[in-house]
Amino acid sequence: DTAVSQTPKYLVTQMGNDKSIKCEQNLGHDTMYWYKQDSKKFLKIMFSYNNKELIINETVPNRFSPKSPDKAHLNLHINSLELGDSAVYFCASSQGRVAGASEQYFGPGTRLTVT
Amino acid sequence: AQSVTQLGSHVSVSEGALVLLRCNYSSSVPPYLFWYVQYPNQGLQLLLKYTSAATLVKGINGFEAEFKKSETSFHLTKPSAHMSDAAEYFCAVKFSGGYNKLIFGAGTRLAVHP
Repeated sequence: DTAVSQTPKYLVTQMGNDKSIKCEQNLGHDTMYWYKQDSKKFLKIMFSYNNKELIINETVPNRFSPKSPDKAHLNLHINSLELGDSAVYFCASSQGRVAGASEQYFGPGTRLTVT
Repeated sequence: AQSVTQLGSHVSVSEGALVLLRCNYSSSVPPYLFWYVQYPNQGLQLLLKYTSAATLVKGINGFEAEFKKSETSFHLTKPSAHMSDAAEYFCAVKFSGGYNKLIFGAGTRLAVHP
């Protein structure tokens, strides 16, 4: 059983297109995240939802819009894709919304390539 | 400003040698600290975490890390490297207060050669 799953695993698209990435967790966690890993492997948080409420919204272009239909799912929609959006996007989940010792569990990542 | 630094973007060791990956944080209050490993084309897997219960933390795959408040460090070690340890290692911190946000170091690529 996969704990945190993402679809698709690979996504190749052209500039200007709109695309979505989906994430699902079956761990019963109440908090989910999106991270972006750039070509230099640097990881940065983008968004976090707790029980469908947006609680972290880092400095991300508003072309990126997360949506959480329920606490087990967190999707990421990207409008008007740009070359600089090429990266690996990771979904993660954890229990609890405030800083503590609960670890985050990561999905396998979605490699987005914009041409 | 609160930050986390990993010294050495690449570390190369021989099989059987000691592995030492360095992590320092910048904060007046000790944060929660984590080490994650990323194998090629995979997601991140938790190796171990520091929760203030003990300064020496043991993790999976024979790794351990020691929290040193005076040095604001949380270095990762393994006594004897295996070929299968070759991967990218990330130190991450969660600072007290606020939401559950992980801040990652830049990562250290560990190469293990025969």
